[in-house]
Amino acid sequence: EVQLLESGGGLVQPGGSLRLSCAASGFTFSSFAMSWVRQAPGKGLEWVSAISGSGGSTYYADSVKGRFSISRDNSKNTLYLQMSSLRADDTAVYYCAKDPTGTGYFDLWGRGTLVTVSS
Amino acid sequence: DIQMTQSPSTLSASVGDRVTITCRASQSISSWLAWYQQKPGKAPKLLIYKASSLESGVPSRFSGSGSGTEFTLTISSLQPDDFATYYCQQYKSYSALTFGQGTKVEIK
Repeated sequence: EVQLLESGGGLVQPGGSLRLSCAASGFTFSSFAMSWVRQAPGKGLEWVSAISGSGGSTYYADSVKGRFSISRDNSKNTLYLQMSSLRADDTAVYYCAKDPTGTGYFDLWGRGTLVTVSS
Repeated sequence: DIQMTQSPSTLSASVGDRVTITCRASQSISSWLAWYQQKPGKAPKLLIYKASSLESGVPSRFSGSGSGTEFTLTISSLQPDDFATYYCQQYKSYSALTFGQGTKVEIK
């Protein structure tokens, strides 16, 4: 079955760190660019970061640049998002998403993992 | 960054109605636009890409049109399963992908 499954969310204090993972199955993971997209409670969608299929190119939203780091392990079919210096406004459900053509839209999404930044 | 503005923010409609949602870009994005449907507690689902291309498996009552800065998503005959929130997304600027704020389609 073609699917993405996120994990690693939870409650973290402001200034803390967290690493999210996204396990992919059912498709050739290394062939596709991937992204993280987040959604704050009751709010809209916000793109966070993207990475090419090889992992050689990465992109970040201004809101997370310098604090978040995207990476992938194609041997494990897993995408990661390392988050540091977390702030209250980083509280959101984080989705990983597959980019079918490398142009920036998403045809497959995971269920999401909730990150709550609070003291 | 390219700003995406959807209208209306909320739309009340009945089953069988023709529904149109508009998305405007702050600068030309050619046809680099996608539409998604999201239901409460669920991940978004791709409906349309490249402004007017229907994703495989999506019912033909959904259609997209437009280019440049103005785009529309049309549902030709609203079905009970279509009550949801819809988002447009531009992908002209890969290093700064942006979504519209969403349009909630409610039961009238």
